Amino acid sequence: DGGITQSPKYLFRKEGQNVTLSCEQNLNHDAMYWYRQDPGQGLRLIYYSQIVNDFQKGDIAEGYSVSREKKESFPLTVTSAQKNPTAFYLCASSRDRGLGSSVRYGYTFGSGTRLTVV
Amino acid sequence: QKEVEQNSGPLSVPEGAIASLNCTYSDRVSQSFFWYRQYSGKSPELIMSIYSNGDKEDGRFTAQLNKASQYVSLLIRDSQPSDSATYLCAVNVDSGAGSYQLTFGKGTKLSVIP
Repeated sequence: DGGITQSPKYLFRKEGQNVTLSCEQNLNHDAMYWYRQDPGQGLRLIYYSQIVNDFQKGDIAEGYSVSREKKESFPLTVTSAQKNPTAFYLCASSRDRGLGSSVRYGYTFGSGTRLTVV
Repeated sequence: QKEVEQNSGPLSVPEGAIASLNCTYSDRVSQSFFWYRQYSGKSPELIMSIYSNGDKEDGRFTAQLNKASQYVSLLIRDSQPSDSATYLCAVNVDSGAGSYQLTFGKGTKLSVIP
C-alpha cells in the first residue's frame, strides 16, 4: 500500500544535540511538507519542497534544516539552535506541486514523530 | 498573513444529533477547501474536499461552501461517539510567485456525548 512513513514514532533529544526525523513516501508525490504541532495549536509549516533538490522555508524554519535529494525522502533535522523542540512533527505529501496551480488533492500525512527534550 | 479561523470549541453534541463546524478564511481568491479529522495523538486524515459554491455530500458528512462570504462548513449527521475528534479546516492560498499551499485552521474539538 502507498503511504508516508515517519520514523521514529517517539524521539528523545538531549540538550545541545541534533536529531533527524525521517520521512519517506511511495506515493510518487512531488511536493512534501514538514509541520510542527504543539498541544492545542494548529499546524505550523517548517519547510516544504515542491520538487527534488529544491526546498523553501516555511513560517518557523529557524533551528531546523532539510534536504530533498530523492523524490521519496524529505528528512528534517532539528538542530541545537531550536530552543523549544518538544512537539509533534508531521510530514505530508501532495500530488499537487502547488506551482502555478492550486492544491486540488489535499495533503496526505504520515503518522508523526513525537519529539521530547530530556 | 492569510488566515483560516475556526472556533476552538469544544463543541459538544448528543449522539444522533447534527454537528456543525464552521471556518472562515481571508484569501478571497482561494479555490480549494478541505476538512481533516484528527484523533487525539494521531495525524490528520482528509475527509472532505470542496471547490464550488454549494453543498457536497459524502455519507454522513456534508461540506458547504460560500465564497462570497468566505465561509466553509462541515455538517456531520447522526453524530457518533467515534466522530469525537478535532476537525481542521484547510484552505488553498497563494503564498506568492504562483506557489500554492494549504493553510490550516487551529481546529475545532468535537465531543459526541453518548
